[in-house]
Amino acid sequence: DAKTTQPPSMDCAEGRAANLPCNHSTISGNEYVYWYRQIHSQGPQYIIHGLKNNETNEMASLIITEDRKSSTLILPHATLRDTAVYYCIVRVHPRGGTADYGGSQGNLIFGKGTKLSVKP
Amino acid sequence: DGGITQSPKYLFRKEGQNVTLSCEQNLNHDAMYWYRQDPGQGLRLIYYSQIVNDFQKGDIAEGYSVSREKKESFPLTVTSAQKNPTAFYLCASRRAAGPNEKLFFGSGTQLSVL
Repeated sequence: DAKTTQPPSMDCAEGRAANLPCNHSTISGNEYVYWYRQIHSQGPQYIIHGLKNNETNEMASLIITEDRKSSTLILPHATLRDTAVYYCIVRVHPRGGTADYGGSQGNLIFGKGTKLSVKP
Repeated sequence: DGGITQSPKYLFRKEGQNVTLSCEQNLNHDAMYWYRQDPGQGLRLIYYSQIVNDFQKGDIAEGYSVSREKKESFPLTVTSAQKNPTAFYLCASRRAAGPNEKLFFGSGTQLSVL
């Protein structure tokens, strides 16, 4: 799986948009970009994922560059409860709807992430 | 409510003791995972299971053992061979196939050595 690079920490003012960058310059054509976040002492929570098109859901937006070497997670109106560590992960998605039983393929590799602090 | 339940929340281990961490899910997921997290670090994969009665070693399996006798259960045993067991342990599950294979995590177990 491709490796990702994220800044170790970022600050954001409450109510403003939080833009979290991620570099994945070695990403291959069949690797998806996933974002998770982890609030202190809890399990990580899925946020969003995408392949090459921009994606939006009720939590966030994901902007992927045309060359797919980087992406940005956008929290449009950050709140204090968004303070967490945000993980950017790329992984191969198994094709054809078959189960991926092969080795570690498809397993998510979590780096250190970006610690986002939302301040009043 | 559907979800993943880990127990206990906190666990203490004495020297030379084996301890077992429980993970149960009622999401009907095929795949289950165990991760270890040390302070300020990311998650590292210990073991995973894609199907009942089968499991595979992850990146740091030494000193750990698992079983997958039932689809909904994937207990992790931290053996006495694991010399540095103090960490936050996370269990996760997902469907084995499909485009939205997001991981669902439990709330974690903090293991400490007495």
